[in-house]
Parts: sequence; structure tokens; C-alpha cells
Amino acid sequence: KAGVTQTPRYLIKTRGQQVTLSCSPISGHRSVSWYQQTPGQGLQFLFEYFSETQRNKGNFPGRFSGRQFSNSRSEMNVSTLELGDSALYLCASSLEGFNEKLFFGSGTQLSVL
Amino acid sequence: KQEVTQIPAALSVPEGENLVLNCSFTDSAIYNLQWFRQDPGKGLTSLLLIQSSQREQTSGRLNASLDKSSGRSTLYIAASQPGDSATYLCAVKGTYKYIFGTGTRLKVLA
Repeated sequence: KAGVTQTPRYLIKTRGQQVTLSCSPISGHRSVSWYQQTPGQGLQFLFEYFSETQRNKGNFPGRFSGRQFSNSRSEMNVSTLELGDSALYLCASSLEGFNEKLFFGSGTQLSVL
Repeated sequence: KQEVTQIPAALSVPEGENLVLNCSFTDSAIYNLQWFRQDPGKGLTSLLLIQSSQREQTSGRLNASLDKSSGRSTLYIAASQPGDSATYLCAVKGTYKYIFGTGTRLKVLA
């Protein structure tokens, strides 16, 4: 069974640009959540999607957005990039998003110059 | 507001030692607690999931306990090996999201 796949693995962007990250969950998993990991703030919840609907959202500015497609694949978009957006972006999938284990992808390392 | 703390931040032990990693949280209203392992530059791997109604879970050399009333969980690793070297994070599930601790960076020396 394939794991959670995130693409691309690395990204380098400049301030003001926008970026789209992709996440393919484990087959059959309907919940996809996104996290930002930085050395200073640790792992922080961005948002969760379930059946193409955003179910929950963390405390991030509106520049961070996402969506989920009918096959449960998810994308997250960051517009008007800032230096502080440099981080490892992780997505995780689970069956229903309640009381099950989370399965993480390897992440996308975003560097904003 | 839920806060999750992990102590110690870093730990270095010789191979073969039994060790305990600690996780504390401030709000006992949780659905579950998960322990994860993260290797450098990689994603997280779920090790153990403890439901709020459970007291402990075991998998191989790993045992995790949960005491909701005191806001504590421990991860016990028996007979540590160099391959156990990684960062270990705990996360508690609240109403709608997981709150993660900052992790314990473990190094097991051969």
C-alpha cells in the first residue's frame, strides 16, 4: 500500500511569489491535514480537509489556502510569500480524521529568499 | 489553550539502556494522544495511539502510558538501539486538531 506522497520535495521561491504544494493520501483515506514545521514554532496545524470540504482551520493568515479533490488528493497554496514562510510543510492523512493514526508524507521543504 | 511540553529536549544514552520520554499537557479534555518519531528532514511516523479511555499501548519495545487526570504521558523504550536515534514527538487531539510538543531529540550511542 503506497504511503502519503508529497510533491515537490524541495522548493526555492522569492518573496512575493506564490507556491502550490501537492499531497496524495493513502488510498481510502478521506481526511487530509496540513502542518507547518519550523525550528522556532515546531509543528503547527494549518487546516484539514474531508470529502472536499475544509473541516478545520488553524491560526494562519488568509495567504494560506487549500483544497481537496474528489479523489482525496489535496493541494495547499501560499500566496505573496514572506521570508517567514520558509518551513517544512507536511501533510497527513487518516481514514476519517477522528480517532485514528495519522500517516505523514515526507514533506515539502520550502525556502523563501 | 492546550499546551504540550516534552522533557528533556535532548537525551543521549548508551546502547541497551531502557529510557523514558515525558510529555505533559495542560487540558485533559483530549480525544487521544499519539507518539511519533521523526528522522532528520523527514515526515513523522506514528508509533502509538492511545485513546482517551485507555491507559497504555504497547508495540514491540515501546510502551506508552496516559494519565489524563494529571496531564501526562510517558513513552518507554526498552533496550535502546542506535536505530532508535530520532526526534520523538507527542501530540494530543483536542476538539478539532492535534497540538504537538516540541519533541525530544534522542541519540543512542553504539
